[in-house]
Amino acid sequence: AQSVTQLDSQVPVFEEAPVELRCNYSSSVSVYLFWYVQYPNQGLQLLLKYLSGSTLVKGINGFEAEFNKSQTSFHLRKPSVHISDTAEYFCAVSDQGGTALIFGKGTTLSVSS
Amino acid sequence: DAGVIQSPRHEVTEMGQEVTLRCKPISGHNSLFWYRQTMMRGLELLIYFNNNVPIDDSGMPEDRFSAKMPNASFSTLKIQPSEPRDSAVYFCASSAMAGGLGQPQHFGDGTRLSIL
Repeated sequence: AQSVTQLDSQVPVFEEAPVELRCNYSSSVSVYLFWYVQYPNQGLQLLLKYLSGSTLVKGINGFEAEFNKSQTSFHLRKPSVHISDTAEYFCAVSDQGGTALIFGKGTTLSVSS
Repeated sequence: DAGVIQSPRHEVTEMGQEVTLRCKPISGHNSLFWYRQTMMRGLELLIYFNNNVPIDDSGMPEDRFSAKMPNASFSTLKIQPSEPRDSAVYFCASSAMAGGLGQPQHFGDGTRLSIL
């Protein structure tokens, strides 16, 4: 069975600072990996995804993530955050044989000035 | 293009009442997912459909929960009878299987359900 662990439930940072949100997954098969963002009172929006190929994936809003197969990680990074990046971020995994996603518990990113 | 449309956005009702949540997926998408989000349990997959057929309903918590997808453009999630512990935000999402595996899911804005 697959699982996703988001190592930090809350990450407070100052505006223009870099940020890394950590995600580890567990799976015995090859996987697809995703990061979603949820703003207050809204549904989840796709930030980026890794399916195959280059392990560094670029997404929307200046975010990127790096797939590390040996460490089973898919950490999300942004070199300089804005107040508007304050939101809940979810890492998710699906195996290559199915369509359902398994989500992590989420990380709350709080950006202050 | 219209995204995933859920209704109602908010529902407040008394325990014991029947609750029906509705979802219209993105046109052309043939996979549909129902999730429940709570502070305690996070985001849980309840059930998903491929081509209107339920594939995995192992996440449905009890027999009080049921879901249907009578056609490609409409799905319902029903709770009967409802209980206070069913209070949560319920999300519907859809994706295009035809594009291959790994297609992203597109989420609606959710239904915030409160059972008194």
